[in-house]
Amino acid sequence: GAGVSQSPRYKVAKRGQDVALRCDPISGHVSLFWYQQALGQGPEFLTYFQNEAQLDKSGLPSDRFFAERPEGSVSTLKIQRTQQEDSAVYLCASSLVLTRVDTQYFGPGTRLTVL
Amino acid sequence: AQSVTQLDSHVSVSEGTPVLLRCNYSSSYSPSLFWYVQHPNKGLQLLLKYTSAATLVKGINGFEAEFKKSETSFHLTKPSAHMSDAAEYFCVVSDTGSNYQLIWGAGTKLIIKP
Repeated sequence: GAGVSQSPRYKVAKRGQDVALRCDPISGHVSLFWYQQALGQGPEFLTYFQNEAQLDKSGLPSDRFFAERPEGSVSTLKIQRTQQEDSAVYLCASSLVLTRVDTQYFGPGTRLTVL
Repeated sequence: AQSVTQLDSHVSVSEGTPVLLRCNYSSSYSPSLFWYVQHPNKGLQLLLKYTSAATLVKGINGFEAEFKKSETSFHLTKPSAHMSDAAEYFCVVSDTGSNYQLIWGAGTKLIIKP
């Protein structure tokens, strides 16, 4: 079946604008993750959902960041009043179940540039 | 706390020669370890994972990695590099404090010379 998809692939925002990034996980995957990847670095964990429940949001850098997964499938990461330091690639991943060894499948990412 | 160190930010090899990408980790428990590859404008793809079974793990595209507990290493190797191997490679350890958080290295960019 199809892999994880994300939209838009590229987003340019003026500082102060709100943005919404969408993730479509693999059908049937229970777990969904958001990561932030700055240029030249590895991804950093933002938040995690199990079905529609957001079980961990410890990685969200500020209260301007908000994520939801209301029906347990598609997820949206919203960033309010964007700042230049929010410029990064935002990655979504899903996995079938929740174990330490379960493979996370990644989408292509959304590259956000804040001017 | 777990951490991952990828010892080289860039590795350059000639096509047809062996590849070695080095990774050291720190973990208080038996870790799960992964290598992911990221091609330009594509999503991260799992190459292989170690989950406390065989210490020599074989992955896709001819890559393999060996878990060495005494050296806290999980180096990635391939006998013969191909042009299509040019990409960014990430070594990852699972966080034993939770079931899902992945701790990522900074990445190694593999450059293949013709």
